[in-house]
Amino acid sequence: KNEVEQSPQNLTAQEGEFITINCSYSVGISALHWLQQHPGGGIVSLFMLSSGKKKHGRLIATINIQEKHSSLHITASHPRDSAVYICALTSGTYKYIFGTGTRLKVLA
Amino acid sequence: NAGVTQTPKFQVLKTGQSMTLQCAQDMNHNSMYWYRQDPGMGLRLIYYSASEGTTDKGEVPNGYNVSRLNKREFSLRLESAAPSQTSVYFCASSESGQGRQYFGPGTRLTVL
Repeated sequence: KNEVEQSPQNLTAQEGEFITINCSYSVGISALHWLQQHPGGGIVSLFMLSSGKKKHGRLIATINIQEKHSSLHITASHPRDSAVYICALTSGTYKYIFGTGTRLKVLA
Repeated sequence: NAGVTQTPKFQVLKTGQSMTLQCAQDMNHNSMYWYRQDPGMGLRLIYYSASEGTTDKGEVPNGYNVSRLNKREFSLRLESAAPSQTSVYFCASSESGQGRQYFGPGTRLTVL
């Protein structure tokens, strides 16, 4: 079993929809990260979480440490949100443990 | 601030040729990383440097060497390129090993 599981693997939404991407993990963590990779290839760090909830614009990330689960929400989705969203963990070492990514396509 | 820069952006090599991918960061970060990303796959760690003067192997180090030249720069060398090394290579840096990583724009390498 992978240490980090993301769902869904692929997601297609209509513009304006509320989107949720889930990340479950099985190891103890020091932090959980959400990354965004656009079709052009660049990778951007969206959030780093160790507890609670963070918000940046239309993006909201939450984490439940007891349930070992995090969610990334996108409100009022837009075609420019189309990207691969990656959950990654840091767990006491100098390395990320990556999820397999969720490919999101938002249709106009 | 430029953040994390990588050169070159694109490179085509013939099997057996050597090359060095350069990475530099201007954020005074301690830790630096080299990843490869193959089509349809996630990022895989090749080597990392927790701090200046140290380097360690990641998941897929075979065929690569690295140098942490100073705090700013971390280079990745392919001594004898193979078609299996065709990939997109990303460099990243973070203030500490547990912190947020900042990624460079990537180098698209093709080995013929």
